[in-house]
Amino acid sequence: AQKITQTQPGMFVQEKEAVTLDCTYDTSDPSYGLFWYKQPSSGEMIFLIYQGSYDQQNATEGRYSLNFQKARKSANLVISASQLGDSAMYFCAMREGWAGKSTFGDGTTLTVKP
Amino acid sequence: GAVVSQHPSRVICKSGTSVKIECRSLDFQATTMFWYRQFPKQSLMLMATSNEGSKATYEQGVEKDKFLINHASLTLSTLTVTSAHPEDSSFYICSARVAGMGGDTQYFGPGTRLTVL
Repeated sequence: AQKITQTQPGMFVQEKEAVTLDCTYDTSDPSYGLFWYKQPSSGEMIFLIYQGSYDQQNATEGRYSLNFQKARKSANLVISASQLGDSAMYFCAMREGWAGKSTFGDGTTLTVKP
Repeated sequence: GAVVSQHPSRVICKSGTSVKIECRSLDFQATTMFWYRQFPKQSLMLMATSNEGSKATYEQGVEKDKFLINHASLTLSTLTVTSAHPEDSSFYICSARVAGMGGDTQYFGPGTRLTVL
């Protein structure tokens, strides 16, 4: 069974609007971390935001927020006020336990329209 | 955030030659680094976990004799693709593990695009 699922291969959003990228995960480990990365066409993986399984509040970083629904095992990324530079591939990832490797979803390609 | 560099960013080589890719943590020490491979428009596939001072741990299906990993210092890990063939052409990305209060975070290098002719 896939541990990280991103069901949206591609998404479009109008500039200045908000967009939500979906991510669901599956783990039996009570300690885990959830990440979102942005990969523009240059290829570099840019760390955006992190949510720990014990964090009480949803993580926020500037225009990025993570909608953490623990009971539903979802960790959706919300990008507010989209910009043309937000066009990229976005990956959701999960680390099981406190340390070690992460598992990545298949990614969502976001296109921001002017 | 932590900065990870990778060199070279792009390499073209002939079939049968070996290629070395370096991954460096610039402003922190990384006891653990990870090597990934990515095909166009696909997700990252973990190849191996590189541990400073010990042997790398390879994922199932990854040939350890073909993809040699050396983590000789706390800031440098290298991946050598031996006797490269066209099917080895891919985007290779390294990441370094940074410990935090809520657990580890991985920071990635800019990637190396390998083309084998």
